[in-house]
Amino acid sequence: AQTVTQSQPEMSVQEAETVTLSCTYDTSESDYYLFWYKQPPSRQMILVIRQEAYKQQNATENRFSVNFQKAAKSFSLKISDSQLGDAAMYFCAAYAGNNRKLIWGLGTSLAVNP
Amino acid sequence: SAVISQKPSRDICQRGTSLTIQCQVDSQVTMMFWYRQQPGQSLTLIATANQGSEATYESGFVIDKFPISRPNLTFSTLTVSNMSPEDSSIYLCSVEPHPNYGYTFGSGTRLTVV
Repeated sequence: AQTVTQSQPEMSVQEAETVTLSCTYDTSESDYYLFWYKQPPSRQMILVIRQEAYKQQNATENRFSVNFQKAAKSFSLKISDSQLGDAAMYFCAAYAGNNRKLIWGLGTSLAVNP
Repeated sequence: SAVISQKPSRDICQRGTSLTIQCQVDSQVTMMFWYRQQPGQSLTLIATANQGSEATYESGFVIDKFPISRPNLTFSTLTVSNMSPEDSSIYLCSVEPHPNYGYTFGSGTRLTVV
């Protein structure tokens, strides 16, 4: 069975500083994809960044980057130069195999302090 | 990526009644997914809806309670039947992953049952 674990229910960061959100996963599949989604109070689920398991290079999207450690099954999200608009719930998710179902972590609530 | 219009955005309903949630996609997609997100929780998959076939329900969800329609490749509905306060949640639809963009989500329906 696939699992996704986020061990930090809440995090906070000062504006303009850097924060790292943790995620570990478990799957027996060799081909899988990992995602970070952001859910602000508007409840819209927004894709932040994605990583294909076969790619060794860590994905980067502007201020967002991941540290993908395949052997350790770790997929952390780093937010640089944090902004007030980054405050949201962040969910780590994974899918593998042909059923295309996403497996979700429990989320991390990120507060950004001015 | 696909754009999904989800309606209604919110509703307050009396217990014992039913509510139908609609998702319209701006492109044809084979698979659509319906999720429930209870207050302060992560997303739980209710069912997968393929056009032209019966929806596939996850453990703990049944068709009598959550009937789903998928009349064509751009539209789906989820009905929450015989509602109770425990059904108060956010309901989200999603479409199959795009190679470049991952999963796309509707804006969610916040349901309160009183």
